[in-house]
Amino acid sequence: DMKVTQMPRYLIKRMGENVLLECGQDMSHETMYWYRQDPGLGLQLIYISYDVDSNSEGDIPKGYRVSRKKREHFSLILDSAKTNQTSVYFCASIRDRNQAPLFGEGTRLSVL
Amino acid sequence: GEQVEQRPPHLSVREGDSAVITCTYTDPNSYYFFWYKQEPGASLQLLMKVFSSTEINEGQGFTVLLNKKDKRLSLNLTAAHPGDSAAYFCAVSANSNYQLIWGSGTKLIIKP
Repeated sequence: DMKVTQMPRYLIKRMGENVLLECGQDMSHETMYWYRQDPGLGLQLIYISYDVDSNSEGDIPKGYRVSRKKREHFSLILDSAKTNQTSVYFCASIRDRNQAPLFGEGTRLSVL
Repeated sequence: GEQVEQRPPHLSVREGDSAVITCTYTDPNSYYFFWYKQEPGASLQLLMKVFSSTEINEGQGFTVLLNKKDKRLSLNLTAAHPGDSAAYFCAVSANSNYQLIWGSGTKLIIKP
């Protein structure tokens, strides 16, 4: 069953703590995305990864970094989290550009 | 670069009525178009993907129209029912890359 899995689903952190959000897919998709969605708003692209160690900044990369050491896994890291990074984070993957991105269930992050 | 404008941001219709959501885009090289549905607190689910070679696509209870001349993509829900209450997002992709440009979303409410 094709699926994008995000862990954890919910996370509460204190300001200044480090945060690791993980995303996995079992479809060998080369391209993966990290998006952020604030309440009532649309998606903002943080990073896009075209394959292992081939990552590009999206529209709002500041305060975030990513890691992709295996094709199946794409991590989003917040070093010293800030309260304005409280949001819902979605990971997605895509096989080809003519296919629709498949989204994970999201991680709801609260930074207090 | 590509810009996508989605209208309206909020839409309320009565059960059984139709609802129309429109996205206009700027890049004439846009080739792939997607509509997603997001129920409250949930992830994004693909409703339909459209290629620029097709103009009308029908799904279960909705129709997607692509007007390439006017660079307009529309989602028409016929006979809306309570289960259609959700946020809807369009996304547009050029043929040359994997970057999608997202509309800002439409929050649709179906009133009994």
